[in-house]
Amino acid sequence: GNSVTQMEGPVTLSEEAFLTINCTYTATGYPSLFWYVQYPGEGLQLLLKATKADDKGSNKGFEATYRKETTSFHLEKGSVQVSDSAVYFCALNYGQNFVFGPGTRLSVLP
Amino acid sequence: NAGVTQTPKFQVLKTGQSMTLQCAQDMNHEYMSWYRQDPGMGLRLIHYSVGAGITDQGEVPNGYNVSRSTTEDFPLRLLSAAPSQTSVYFCASRRDRGTFFGQGTRLTVV
Repeated sequence: GNSVTQMEGPVTLSEEAFLTINCTYTATGYPSLFWYVQYPGEGLQLLLKATKADDKGSNKGFEATYRKETTSFHLEKGSVQVSDSAVYFCALNYGQNFVFGPGTRLSVLP
Repeated sequence: NAGVTQTPKFQVLKTGQSMTLQCAQDMNHEYMSWYRQDPGMGLRLIHYSVGAGITDQGEVPNGYNVSRSTTEDFPLRLLSAAPSQTSVYFCASRRDRGTFFGQGTRLTVV
């Protein structure tokens, strides 16, 4: 079946630190991969996505590369800000539905 | 353009009570879905609909009913609430350009 595994955290970093949140997946076929972000008290927002192997999604300084050989889609940012504090969800898409990972809470301290 | 609108934002129910979570979208999306979000488990699909008059079950459908009489609305019904249904519920709609989530409904069943 389809599943997504990601580090659960919480992750606490100082401002301007480098961020990596690991995500691996199991899927039949070739799903699209996504990172969603949930800021406190809000719904999910699409952060970035990649639709095929070796694609790199990027947005707001965040990047993730679709690695088919390692079935991974790790999220990275070179210099985090306090405003990046949120919960990050890795997800894959099969048909029109999603499978989400458990979410990783990120806290960035000034 | 309001996107996906969920009401209410918060609700407390007693065990055995019934209620309907409302979801409306104004983007003319055919596909709509309901997820529940629980700590450490990400989002799990409850029910989905690929168009008016068509609904199907997701991963965790028990205890929930849905109907889709119009393209705009996709209400989720709890016929007899149980404490295990305490969760945050997200409605989503989708078309080619992507998936859009509502702000969520936080439901507590006591």
